[in-house]
Amino acid sequence: QSVLTQPPSVSGAPGQRVTISCTGSTSNIGAGSHVHWYQQLPGSAPKLLVYGNTNRPSGVPDRFSGSRSGTSASLAITGLQAEDEADYYCQSYDSTLSGWIFGEGTKLTVL
Amino acid sequence: QLQLQESGPGLVKPSETLSLTCTVSGGSTSSSAYYWGWIRQPPGKGLEWIGTFYYSGSTYYNPSLKSRVTISGDTSKNQFSLKLTSVTAADTAVYYCARMEYYYHSSGYQKYFDYWGQGTLVTVSS
Repeated sequence: QSVLTQPPSVSGAPGQRVTISCTGSTSNIGAGSHVHWYQQLPGSAPKLLVYGNTNRPSGVPDRFSGSRSGTSASLAITGLQAEDEADYYCQSYDSTLSGWIFGEGTKLTVL
Repeated sequence: QLQLQESGPGLVKPSETLSLTCTVSGGSTSSSAYYWGWIRQPPGKGLEWIGTFYYSGSTYYNPSLKSRVTISGDTSKNQFSLKLTSVTAADTAVYYCARMEYYYHSSGYQKYFDYWGQGTLVTVSS
């Protein structure tokens, strides 16, 4: 069981907005460790989507946005497209475990 | 463009040692600007950080794997390697190598994985 909790699945119709939550604790997100998000398309390696809570690497559409508050973070995807169907993971650092941690992953289904 | 490529046996027997190498092109493992990491993903499951290597020789390991893991670098070949001893079926996974970018914030140094290899499936079976 991961120390970063994500919903197993979320879904939305094309064009809609969905959010994926990442709930941590006072030893990771709540301690100020930044949250980073990855997209993993079926059969592919993870790809960096958001870093430093809110920043997008070059080439990532602005439909993807990240936020953080307290011991949680969220990834929002607007204007949902069929190509967004993938697994999404949050990642941070935990001071108690002394290591980098990933959320359990959330499967996004585009209806 | 930075590229990472994992290589090594796809099948390892139980109790033996899993050995993988990550070859980096378009960048240097001897750069002080980055760390280098290994992550694995069991079939149908999530991502697990294994360990991280810095050009100075510093290493950081997942506490749950620390007793069995060694990560080292060969800057002359622009490679870094993973060794995992005493493997069992639970170590069957796709193993990824990745570059770790880092930056400083008031809450401390932050690190994330910005470039990933394609991954290699390692099956532990007799």
